[in-house]
Amino acid sequence: EVQLVESGGGLVQPGRSLRLSCAASGFTFDDYAMHWVRQAPGKGLEWVSGISWNSGSIGYADSVKGRFTISRDNAKNSLYLQMNSLRAEDTALYYCAKDMGQWLGGSSFDYWGQGTLVTVSS
Amino acid sequence: DIQMTQSPSSLSASVGDRVTITCQASQDISNYLNWYQQKPGKAPKLLIYDASNLETGVPSRFSGSGSGTDFTFTISSLQPEDIATYYCQQYDNLQYTFGQGTKLEIK
Repeated sequence: EVQLVESGGGLVQPGRSLRLSCAASGFTFDDYAMHWVRQAPGKGLEWVSGISWNSGSIGYADSVKGRFTISRDNAKNSLYLQMNSLRAEDTALYYCAKDMGQWLGGSSFDYWGQGTLVTVSS
Repeated sequence: DIQMTQSPSSLSASVGDRVTITCQASQDISNYLNWYQQKPGKAPKLLIYDASNLETGVPSRFSGSGSGTDFTFTISSLQPEDIATYYCQQYDNLQYTFGQGTKLEIK
C-alpha cells in the first residue's frame, strides 16, 4: 500500500524558515517524480514544487521561486521542502504527492499524503 | 503561464442527475489535463488523467473528454458519496496549474 506521511509543519514567524519532510513507502520511490502541493485554509489547490526521479529536473511555482528548495533522498525514501523567508500567504496545508511518471511535465498525481499544516504568523 | 478557467464554481444537483463541469485553458495543452475529487477534510484523489483516462478503481459514472483548450468532466448519475469539490489540473513546461474548483452539493 502506498503511503506518504508529511511532517515538519507548525507555527513560524514571518521571515523564518521551516523544513518539511515526506516519508514514502509501498512503492519504488526512486522510480517516480514527486511534488508538493498546498492548500490555504478554505481555498483551492496550488502546486508548489516538483522534482524528477533523479533530481535532474526541478520546478517551482512563481510564488515560491527563490525562497523554497525541493530535494529528495532516494536512499531514505524521503522528499523535502526547505522553506525560507516565509510569509503570511504561505500559510497552508502542504501535501506531498506522487507523480505517475519519472519526469516533470507529463503526468498526474496519483497518491497524496494527508498534509502538514504550516502557519506563518507573528 | 497557462491559466485554467473552471466552471461553475458551485453546483447543486439531485441524486441521479447528470453533472458536467468544464475547464478551459488559456492556450493549447493537448490532452495534459487531469481531474481530482476532494472531500471535506481529505486529500485530493485522482479520478481522470490525460483528459479521458479513468484511474484504476474509480467508478465508471465518472468520465472526462476534450483536448486543446476545452475540457469536460461528467458524472453520469450523481450519487450521494460524490459530494465533494472537483478540480481540473494542467501540466505544461514544468508548471502545473489547478482550476479554481467546483463545489458540488446535493439538492
